[in-house]
Amino acid sequence: QLQLQESGPGLVKPSETLSLTCTVSGGSVSTSTYYWGWIRQPPGKGLEWIGNIYYSGSTYYNPSLGSRVTISVDTSKNQFSLKLSYVTAADTAVYYCGRGSSYYGWFDPWGQGTLVTVSS
Amino acid sequence: DIQMTQSPSTLSASVGDRVTITCRASQSVSSWLAWYQQKPGKAPKLLIYRASTLKSGVPSRFSGSGSGTEFTLTISSLQPDDFATYYCQQYDSYSTFGQGTKLEIK
Repeated sequence: QLQLQESGPGLVKPSETLSLTCTVSGGSVSTSTYYWGWIRQPPGKGLEWIGNIYYSGSTYYNPSLGSRVTISVDTSKNQFSLKLSYVTAADTAVYYCGRGSSYYGWFDPWGQGTLVTVSS
Repeated sequence: DIQMTQSPSTLSASVGDRVTITCRASQSVSSWLAWYQQKPGKAPKLLIYRASTLKSGVPSRFSGSGSGTEFTLTISSLQPDDFATYYCQQYDSYSTFGQGTKLEIK
């Protein structure tokens, strides 16, 4: 059964870089069938797609986040990662990783999510 | 950007009721639409993809329909476990979620 688990600091200072890793178990990130992505949810609000990556390293980002987002994949560790630079309080959210059906597709399954708070 | 608008934002219903949630896109997304269920403190769970394809294992009381700009999620007979927040997601051009519909017990 495929499982995903987010990890990383729960507190990040304004203007710094948020870094999270998603570890995949029960399956391989190297599959040619699926993509891997990040989604976030500010407390009490809705969902926002951040971006997806293919095992080859091809990336697809939400244009609203501009150049602040970088997603990478490490096939040797069966992980993929998110970096979001120059964070502000507006980036405070629960961050989820998920398996995507395509470069913009639906997600299933999702990780349990990790809360990242941006505060000094 | 494609905007997704769900209605209603909140829906009060009783066990056994038939309920329908609507999702409208600001431009056509063909059938590239998914529906999720989310309970408090939990990750969303996929219910339906490609507008009307039920994910394996999801109860058949859930159904989806629509194409282009208007979509619906219908629960034919509400069960206690169905009270949650539901989101639509378009994946035609980038990806965008609706703002959510909270399904409450009447």
